[in-house]
Amino acid sequence: QVQLVESGGGLVKPGGSLRLSCAASGFTFSDYYMSWIRQAPGKGLEWVSYISSSGSTIYYADSVKGRFTISRDNAKNSLYLQMNSLRAEDTAVYYCARDFPDSVRLDYWGQGTLVTVSS
Amino acid sequence: QSALTQPASVSGSPGQSITISCTGTSSDVGGYNYVSWYQQHPGKAPKLMIYEVSNRPSGVSNRFSGSKSGNTASLTISGLQAEDEADYYCSSYTSSSTLRVFGGGTKLTVL
Repeated sequence: QVQLVESGGGLVKPGGSLRLSCAASGFTFSDYYMSWIRQAPGKGLEWVSYISSSGSTIYYADSVKGRFTISRDNAKNSLYLQMNSLRAEDTAVYYCARDFPDSVRLDYWGQGTLVTVSS
Repeated sequence: QSALTQPASVSGSPGQSITISCTGTSSDVGGYNYVSWYQQHPGKAPKLMIYEVSNRPSGVSNRFSGSKSGNTASLTISGLQAEDEADYYCSSYTSSSTLRVFGGGTKLTVL
């Protein structure tokens, strides 16, 4: 069965960095686009970034452009999100999800990892 | 402020039907048939319920249906059950640089 497991969240000071990971299993990871989506405490969902199956196509939300970098290692069935220059407003649960760009749907989601940016 | 507008809350009694709206613009909901709906129970990850306006993934109850008219998409849940109580989010492709936008979410209460 499809499984996505995020890790790497934690408490970080404003201006700091953090790298999130998403371990995929149960499907051919290298065949699928992947996305990161976040949810601030008590708030709605916000799409953060997506990456094509090969890694050649990448998009970011304006709110993270220039600060976050999405990447993947198909040999390790893993997705990453490098987050730099973190701000208090980046505090959220970060989810990875399998993405279908031809229908713009996210069919499987991980359980999420909490990132807290605070001094 | 979310790009897509949803009512903050809706409610219904068991067995009834409810509809949640999702209003955007011609740059997102109105311009493309790429509207999805997600269900999220407290403390859980979102679950895909509807994609491409009206398609249900395998395993999703046929009590859930989607439609679209102009710039507004709708999710209808018929035969309300207690387990339907959750937050619901719409999402759409957008021609803006963000590519994907979500609604602000709607809390469904089953009375």
